[in-house]
Amino acid sequence: AQKVTQTQTSISVMEKTTVTMDCVYETQDSSYFLFWYKQTASGEIVFLIRQDSYKKENATVGHYSLNFQKPKSSIGLIITATQIEDSAVYFCAMREVITGNTGKLIFGLGTTLQVQP
Amino acid sequence: GGIITQTPKFLIGQEGQKLTLKCQQNFNHDTMYWYRQDSGKGLRLIYYSITENDLQKGDLSEGYDASREKKSSFSLTVTSAQKNEMAVFLCASSIEGTGGGGNTLYFGEGSRLIVV
Repeated sequence: AQKVTQTQTSISVMEKTTVTMDCVYETQDSSYFLFWYKQTASGEIVFLIRQDSYKKENATVGHYSLNFQKPKSSIGLIITATQIEDSAVYFCAMREVITGNTGKLIFGLGTTLQVQP
Repeated sequence: GGIITQTPKFLIGQEGQKLTLKCQQNFNHDTMYWYRQDSGKGLRLIYYSITENDLQKGDLSEGYDASREKKSSFSLTVTSAQKNEMAVFLCASSIEGTGGGGNTLYFGEGSRLIVV
């Protein structure tokens, strides 16, 4: 069965620093898709960034980037120049194939990030 | 852009009662999902639907029914509410296919179930 593990329950950093959140996954699929989502204090869950396993380049969107280490089944999220509003819960997720082109996401338990002024 | 609207935001019911949550999306996405979020347990899939009138059970479907009568809407029914079911229920949708934005989920704001 596929599994996503986030070992860091919570992280606290100072504003304007860089933070890395860890995520490891288990899959038998040769091609797969990895995602990071952010859940704000209001409960809203927002898609941040995605890595397709067949792509060698690490995905980057704004001040979010990924550290994709395929041999280690690892997909870390890096946030540079953190801001107070980055304080949230961050979920790592992996697409599990249901049939053909249809998939569902398997989520990790989340990492709470607190950015201090 | 599109939006996913969940109603109601808070659903209060009595133990044993049948309660329904509704979800509407205007992305024109094929697939819709219901996830349950309990504190400290991440998100777990209850039901999903890959097209109108299709229903598929997720990992947590026991005690729930779902209905997808239109492409744009997906409802979830708690068949007999229990106090240990108090959680946040999240609706999501995605387009199909693995290219482009395929399988990227977009979420509603959540509905909190309170059982008294």
